[in-house]
Amino acid sequence: DTGVSQDPRHKITKRGQNVTFRCDPISEHNRLYWYRQTLGQGPEFLTYFQNEAQLEKSRLLSDRFSAERPKGSFSTLEIQRTEQGDSAMYLCASSFNAEAFFGQGTRLTVV
Amino acid sequence: AQTVTQSQPEMSVQEAETVTLSCTYDTSESDYYLFWYKQPPSRQMILVIRQEAYKQQNATENRFSVNFQKAAKSFSLKISDSQLGDAAMYFCALEYSGAGSYQLTFGKGTKLSVIP
Repeated sequence: DTGVSQDPRHKITKRGQNVTFRCDPISEHNRLYWYRQTLGQGPEFLTYFQNEAQLEKSRLLSDRFSAERPKGSFSTLEIQRTEQGDSAMYLCASSFNAEAFFGQGTRLTVV
Repeated sequence: AQTVTQSQPEMSVQEAETVTLSCTYDTSESDYYLFWYKQPPSRQMILVIRQEAYKQQNATENRFSVNFQKAAKSFSLKISDSQLGDAAMYFCALEYSGAGSYQLTFGKGTKLSVIP
């Protein structure tokens, strides 16, 4: 297993368009997280899955954001009607115990 | 709510010297984990060291060690014999499992430069 992988690595989109990101966690990890990191800040928690169940969502996750983890494997994060304020690095992490492993992130630029 | 504060936006160290990065945190919980993560430029975040709050002994991983002061809510990272590859953003993070999600709360990070 090569770790947590995210696709795409970079995405440039026009304001108002929808975008979808994918995360493939480490295969035996039952927990999956999405974080958002803006320039000069640490990552901020967005949402958490245990297996296929989405158990927690941050207030940062507006109704334009939706995440899924069908069958408890890969996860997708969709942002509808993107805004310039959505420009950030979106990080996915997975864990089996207290140690989270991060992917390289998807850098979103909204123009 | 948990908060993590890193008061040093940037630090520099001479190669082979020792540097200490500071972190303070606030939580009302008694059982939690503390972490230092390293994020090299354009590369993924990797775990440097972790500390369980119930353990009094400070964690050590090769050249990396922590000074965990639970009463003071302080968790500093010491890097000994600094190497060029240590240059990166370092994030202090707290994880509380009481709510069941094990989500991490991060500080804003400290950018470490290593001078040859």
